[in-house]
Amino acid sequence: DVKVTQSSRYLVKRTGEKVFLECVQDMDHENMFWYRQDPGLGLRLIYFSYDVKMKEKGDIPEGYSVSREKKERFSLILESASTNQTSMYLCASSLLNTNNQPQHFGDGTRLSIL
Amino acid sequence: GQNIDQPTEMTATEGAIVQINCTYQTSGFNGLFWYQQHAGEAPTFLSYNVLDGLEEKGRFSSFLSRSKGYSYLLLKELQMKDSASYLCAVIDSNYQLIWGAGTKLIIKP
Repeated sequence: DVKVTQSSRYLVKRTGEKVFLECVQDMDHENMFWYRQDPGLGLRLIYFSYDVKMKEKGDIPEGYSVSREKKERFSLILESASTNQTSMYLCASSLLNTNNQPQHFGDGTRLSIL
Repeated sequence: GQNIDQPTEMTATEGAIVQINCTYQTSGFNGLFWYQQHAGEAPTFLSYNVLDGLEEKGRFSSFLSRSKGYSYLLLKELQMKDSASYLCAVIDSNYQLIWGAGTKLIIKP
């Protein structure tokens, strides 16, 4: 089974802090994704990566950056956290060229910015 | 713009059948996924449809009509553990995944 592990289930930070969310997958997947999930909204894509050191902006990249130094690890960075970034953050991975291959998700990090 | 519509919440009785609808308007279509997400947990893959028709997988079935921009997830013999949110997601012409907001399904004894 694919395992996607996010470093924290719950995290509380203060406005203006730099926040790092880590994600590791163990199935040698090329694609990795960061989403945020808010009540009443669908999953919204922040950034994705299809290879080491490659990154692409998703629908809502403002206020975020990412890092993919190794294939198995994809980090999301909040450069200067703000209260409107309080949300559930989900990491996912999938095989490249994957029309019918699903994305596999981590358990999520519930981030609160005070 | 791109849009996926699902009912916000549905209620059903244990042992019954429920149908969760999903309608989509996207720039192109390359497949549709259904995921299940229990509260506080990760979404997990249920089904994938790319051709018209019904795909059956145990108690769960998923239907697709590309001409109508419509899919449904059918859950039979409902169990309490089926209480969860069900997410519909469409792959558009750029191979990006567009997500619906999800349908919260409440199962009552």
